[in-house]
Amino acid sequence: DAKTTQPTSMDCAEGRAANLPCNHSTISGNEYVYWYRQIHSQGPQYIIHGLKNNETNEMASLIITEDRKSSTLILPHATLRDTAVYYCIVNPGTASKLTFGTGTRLQVTL
Amino acid sequence: GAVVSQHPSWVICKSGTSVKIECRSLDFQATTMFWYRQFPKQSLMLMATSNEGSKATYEQGVEKDKFLINHASLTLSTLTVTSAHPEDSSFYICSAPPYGQANEQFFGPGTRLTVL
Repeated sequence: DAKTTQPTSMDCAEGRAANLPCNHSTISGNEYVYWYRQIHSQGPQYIIHGLKNNETNEMASLIITEDRKSSTLILPHATLRDTAVYYCIVNPGTASKLTFGTGTRLQVTL
Repeated sequence: GAVVSQHPSWVICKSGTSVKIECRSLDFQATTMFWYRQFPKQSLMLMATSNEGSKATYEQGVEKDKFLINHASLTLSTLTVTSAHPEDSSFYICSAPPYGQANEQFFGPGTRLTVL
């Protein structure tokens, strides 16, 4: 599995956009970029995934660079409930096992 | 989204006893399920892949005789921690990709095991 690099932690004010970066410079052509988050003491929650086009759903937007070596997860209006560890994972498909890195701990503050 | 449940949500046991954790996909079938372990302040580490109708595949360093996995049906996988010791205390999480779908993999809420 390709390795990802994320900042250890980030802060964001409530109501502002949270932009979480991820580097995946060794991603293969058939690998997707997945984002999950884990709120304290809960199982991970799927957020979004993409291959090469930008994606948006009710939770977030995913921006993937043209060379696919990095991506950014955008939470457009962060709330306190978005405080969690966010994991960026590259994977050929979710039927495969997922390799979790250390993730980014996002703290949303008042 | 689809739902994966785990039972129990937490368990406390004495050292030397065995503990069984269930993982169920409630509204979809899964031929494969994954078991992870997470120690405090650490990331999830894959332990094994549970395959319906065949033997589980264990990650390097995970003792298959200690962590018994049974994928009894297309909606149920169990993890049994045998002869548990305090160092087995951890948060155990399962996940399941719906059969025939490749968009999402759903995670259970986790089971916190404390071995005294």
